[in-house]
Amino acid sequence: DGGITQSPKYLFRKEGQNVTLSCEQNLNHDAMYWYRQDPGQGLRLIYYSQIVNDFQKGDIAEGYSVSREKKESFPLTVTSAQKNPTAFYLCASSIGQAASYEQYFGPGTRLTVT
Amino acid sequence: LAKTTQPISMDSYEGQEVNITCSHNNIATNDYITWYQQFPSQGPRFIIQGYKTKVTNEVASLFIPADRKSSTLSLPRVSLSDTAVYYCLVGDSTGTASKLTFGTGTRLQVTL
Repeated sequence: DGGITQSPKYLFRKEGQNVTLSCEQNLNHDAMYWYRQDPGQGLRLIYYSQIVNDFQKGDIAEGYSVSREKKESFPLTVTSAQKNPTAFYLCASSIGQAASYEQYFGPGTRLTVT
Repeated sequence: LAKTTQPISMDSYEGQEVNITCSHNNIATNDYITWYQQFPSQGPRFIIQGYKTKVTNEVASLFIPADRKSSTLSLPRVSLSDTAVYYCLVGDSTGTASKLTFGTGTRLQVTL
């Protein structure tokens, strides 16, 4: 079955620690995205990548970092510089990065930092 | 950058038709209109996309007037399982993902 996987589903960390969220897709999509969602809010774009070894900042990139060493993988690191990291994180992919392409979302990772 | 405005919430009874309208006054010539559905603690799921006039698929219809400054998602005969948040997005077919904005969406509650 093709799709996007994110792991883990729940993640707990102490303040001041960096944490890396996994995102893998086997859809052979070129574009991948990371979003953040806070309770009762919409999704905000953190980073996106159109091709391997290339990625761009979204609207709220501060305190986050990504890598795209393989087409199928786009891990997100939440650094200690992120002031309010507790949130629901969603990874998505699409054939291309234009808005007309459907985005396929993973199940999400709920990060809690205390 | 086209901003969208949707009602915060809507209520419906099972079996009724639900119409959710999205306003996008600054829509650009190259922009498409896309709707997603999101259940709690899940990622959004694509429902339908259109550019102008009417688009219909197996789950919904999308009505877009000639001026394209608004659009209406129509869900026929909703069931309890249609309770979710619905997002209207407007984005450039040639632009970058940074132009995609998921607003707060419309929270649809379906009851018996």
